Amino acid sequence: GAVVSQHPSWVICKSGTSVKIECRSLDFQATTMFWYRQFPKQSLMLMATSNEGSKATYEQGVEKDKFLINHASLTLSTLTVTSAHPEDSSFYICSAMGLDNSYEQFFGPGTRLTVL
Amino acid sequence: AQSVTQPDIHITVSEGASLELRCNYSYGATPYLFWYVQSPGQGLQLLLKYFSGDTLVQGIKGFEAEFKRSQSSFNLRKPSVHWSDAAEYFCVVVQSGTYKYIFGTGTRLKVLA
Repeated sequence: GAVVSQHPSWVICKSGTSVKIECRSLDFQATTMFWYRQFPKQSLMLMATSNEGSKATYEQGVEKDKFLINHASLTLSTLTVTSAHPEDSSFYICSAMGLDNSYEQFFGPGTRLTVL
Repeated sequence: AQSVTQPDIHITVSEGASLELRCNYSYGATPYLFWYVQSPGQGLQLLLKYFSGDTLVQGIKGFEAEFKRSQSSFNLRKPSVHWSDAAEYFCVVVQSGTYKYIFGTGTRLKVLA
């Protein structure tokens, strides 16, 4: 149980285009989802916290107009990287926390974004 | 501010040897602590967690960790490492008053055959 999927697993796009990444909790409902960014050989950096039905809360330094987050249902959150540039290339990871709010987060496998 | 420190960026051990990965945290009260493992192509997997109670915590894959309040540490141990344990290991503390994770810098484990 507690499986989180991400789609796509990798994507290559041209500079200036937008890319949408989906994060789904497959066998549980998640009131809260988190989006992280991970640079090569580095730790995870929290970008934003997403709560179902409300606006996402972004961490300091994260551009909310560039990284649009939508959490429309208890099983789906999306991250859209708008007008992507090469510096947005990274590994994006989502996680979900169940309705019991037990502090345990379940992580998706990540999405590798390469912007040319 | 709360923080998590993993002093060892890389660790190399021989298969069958014992392992200890260090984790130190800064936190005023009793923290919520986790150890996760990240393998290539896979999502982060929870090894074990500590919220309260017995300070020696057993996890999956033969891992255990001991919470030591006096040393602000939560070190991860395994008595005999397998080649499949090669991965990146993260120590995590939950930020006070939130559900946010604060990640350590990670320790990359290499296992020699």
